[in-house]
Amino acid sequence: QQQVKQSPQSLIVQKGGISIINCAYENTAFDYFPWYQQFPGKGPALLIAIRPDVSEKKEGRFTISFNKSAKQFSLHIMDSQPGDSATYFCAASKSSNTGKLIFGQGTTLQVKP
Amino acid sequence: DTAVSQTPKYLVTQMGNDKSIKCEQNLGHDTMYWYKQDSKKFLKIMFSYNNKELIINETVPNRFSPKSPDKAHLNLHINSLELGDSAVYFCASSQAGTGAFFGQGTRLTVV
Repeated sequence: QQQVKQSPQSLIVQKGGISIINCAYENTAFDYFPWYQQFPGKGPALLIAIRPDVSEKKEGRFTISFNKSAKQFSLHIMDSQPGDSATYFCAASKSSNTGKLIFGQGTTLQVKP
Repeated sequence: DTAVSQTPKYLVTQMGNDKSIKCEQNLGHDTMYWYKQDSKKFLKIMFSYNNKELIINETVPNRFSPKSPDKAHLNLHINSLELGDSAVYFCASSQAGTGAFFGQGTRLTVV
């Protein structure tokens, strides 16, 4: 049973465009939703995270939108740059152990110059 | 200073061998983890451990065992390695209310 479903599997965006990655979760007990960025040969790096008491969180060019009723959340990367090319993972966990993460399948983003 | 460091970065070994991967965190976090990333990049938690509790993912074979000499270290010991164990293993740590911070990974290849 895949508890966190992520789409699309891959994404190609032109430089300056908006990249959008979507995730859906099943377990309503989840209350911490981070996004991770992973470059080849590196470990996943925490990018931004949100809790269900807010509908949106923005940090620089990265924004998480959260829809609690639909059990969905998404990552928007504004003004996408070639340096943003990486694999992005959404995840979910419970506040009792926020590092015990259930990951989505990952999205490979390529930003073309 | 590397926050979460693990060694070795690469590990090639034969089937049936026993191997260990070491992990250290200097963030002062209470909880440490081991994650496995398969060839399709899917990340799955294997263990969650703090001073009080070890939580084992039920899908992890008992050939895998975490060992923690102290709060800052969580090593992964694997017995009788199999071809299917080939993957990238990540150590991570977290504090209450934060996501996990990952090490750079150990690529294990079983031949």
